[in-house]
Amino acid sequence: DIQMTQSPSSLSASVGDRVTITCRTSQAIGTALNWYQQKPGKAPKLLIYKASNLYSGVPSRFSGSGSGTDFTLTISSLQPEDFATYCCQQSYSTPLTFGGGTKVEIK
Amino acid sequence: QLQLQESGPGLVKPSETLSLTCTVSGGSISTTDYYWAWVRQPPGRGLEWITNIHYSGRTYYNPSLKSRITVSVQRSENQFSLKMNSVTAADTAVYYCARHHSGVRHAKDAFEIWGQGTMVTVSS
Repeated sequence: DIQMTQSPSSLSASVGDRVTITCRTSQAIGTALNWYQQKPGKAPKLLIYKASNLYSGVPSRFSGSGSGTDFTLTISSLQPEDFATYCCQQSYSTPLTFGGGTKVEIK
Repeated sequence: QLQLQESGPGLVKPSETLSLTCTVSGGSISTTDYYWAWVRQPPGRGLEWITNIHYSGRTYYNPSLKSRITVSVQRSENQFSLKMNSVTAADTAVYYCARHHSGVRHAKDAFEIWGQGTMVTVSS
């Protein structure tokens, strides 16, 4: 199985801050990496697919980059509605696996 | 607009079988471009992929769960179902159904649309 390691596991930030979350995979996966946002009690929402493609309807302040084993999700200017947990997921091979999540909290 | 809705018992006894159904509305389950998935999330923990099934019957399983799982598509009812036998407390989780865009050229290979989730507790 491909292991997913996210860092940090949590962070505190203020509205307007630039936020960067990292996902590292245990083996190279090309760009087969997706990012999701999840709020408490809600289902995950797709933000970024194939490492850098913005999903329909997702604000442009979200962006993704990376390939191989190292990936980054960036929020250029954190908004109040962005306080949530973010997780990565690889689609390179089954079993499909998810990272443990990064909780973005209000400073 | 496509929507997914999970249904099934919220409480299952240990060693018994968990049965869930996902109803697809606003679109057809018999679509070449998509697989239909189950993903679960134990309380306070991360997401775990369970299985993907295509309307044609092609299926992928998480090997860690494969021996206990049966998944099927009911095309006439626009539903797909999950059965998991011999459940234990470790199977207590929110279970989500989702649409996975994959298996075709230019697929996103991602879980695009999710149901709201249903909490299943395994307890006597």
